[in-house]
Order: sequence, then C-alpha cells, then structure tokens
Amino acid sequence: DTEVTQTPKHLVMGMTNKKSLKCEQHMGHRAMYWYKQKAKKPPELMFVYSYEKLSINESVPSRFSPECPNSSLLNLHLHALQPEDSALYLCASSQGPGQGGETQYFGPGTRLLVL
Amino acid sequence: AQSVTQPDIHITVSEGASLELRCNYSYGATPYLFWYVQSPGQGLQLLLKYFSGDTLVQGIKGFEAEFKRSQSSFNLRKPSVHWSDAAEYFCAVGRTMEYGNKLVFGAGTILRVKS
Repeated sequence: DTEVTQTPKHLVMGMTNKKSLKCEQHMGHRAMYWYKQKAKKPPELMFVYSYEKLSINESVPSRFSPECPNSSLLNLHLHALQPEDSALYLCASSQGPGQGGETQYFGPGTRLLVL
Repeated sequence: AQSVTQPDIHITVSEGASLELRCNYSYGATPYLFWYVQSPGQGLQLLLKYFSGDTLVQGIKGFEAEFKRSQSSFNLRKPSVHWSDAAEYFCAVGRTMEYGNKLVFGAGTILRVKS
C-alpha cells in the first residue's frame, strides 16, 4: 500500500484564522514532506521531517508551522495567512535517509483558499 | 545545480495516437529520475522511475520511459493514448540528501487528448 492521506480536502479560511492540515502514512516511511503548489506550477518544497525531526525549512514564513507528532503523522499549522498563500498543499513521504534515491509518494492534497 | 527541462508546456494528441513527452535534466552524478502525473486538483501519482540498470523502464497505465545518458534525457512514451490520460505530467530528478531524496521538478507538460 503506497497511500498517503490528507485532510481536509478543501479549506477556506480568513486571514485571522488558525487552522491545521493533516497528513498520514502507514508505509513505515521515516521522511515526510510538505509542498506548496500554485496553479500551473510544479510543487515547491516547504519542509522535510526525517525521523520526526525537522531537517529542512526552505525559508518558509513563520505563519506556517510544521509538526511531526510521530512517524506516521505530519501536521501543518496555519496562522495569519495571506491571500497569496492560497494553493494546493501536498504531503509526501519516502523511506528516509540512507535509502539511496528512494521514491516519494504523494497525498491527494488540501486545496486552501485564504480570503 | 540540478535542473529539469520539459520543453513542451502543452501537447495535444488524438485518442489512440502515440505520445512522447520530453524531459532533459542536468545533474553531475548518476540521476534518479521520475515521472509523475497529476489530474486537476489532485496529488501526484508516480508513473515510473529510473535508478539504474535497464534504460527502458516500464510504468503503470501503459507508460514507459527511456534513459539516455548521452542526451541527458528521460522521455516518457505511450503507444496509444486514452482520453483518461489527459493530465499534467512532471519529470523530476532526485538528489540524495541527508534526510532522504530532494526532488527537482520540471515545469510540467499539460496533455490534452482529442476524441
């Protein structure tokens, strides 16, 4: 099973709201990723967690706050977002360090609209 | 630095016709190469990957790709396109990092299928 699940599928929020995106995988993967994808563009890497530790933060604004409560779960907490943050947010997972060219498996994404 | 070029932004083919989507990469070492497909508003689905070995790789949904080191290419092909293949296709090169694999995506090619 190569399934990554994400909730919610759609989210509309105001600029003063706080919300969270959730991602889950049960493949035993030890690396998990958040990507942001704007319309007609490829995904852009935001964060990488490896063995539940934040490994990469691609200069993402602090209004995005990732969290990895355990090896299967990845959250993205959102606060005081801007309309330009509206996008498809994708979660992915892979086996993890030392695996050599392992494959990333993507979830279906959360479509976020910031009003 | 790694880069991926997909020279065709849009391609339109007739249903039943053959398809080739082009991908060129720039990478100093042996590349890990991937093709993903994305239907509108959906996540990315892995079509196939190349790590080593046989340069002709078979994937899901009847797709195949050929790795040509001399041309730095990894073109995707399908002998007979179905209407359900209409989607956006992303080529990516993977770079092994401490945490796992960093994907560098091409800009994508949108495939339209005429009936």
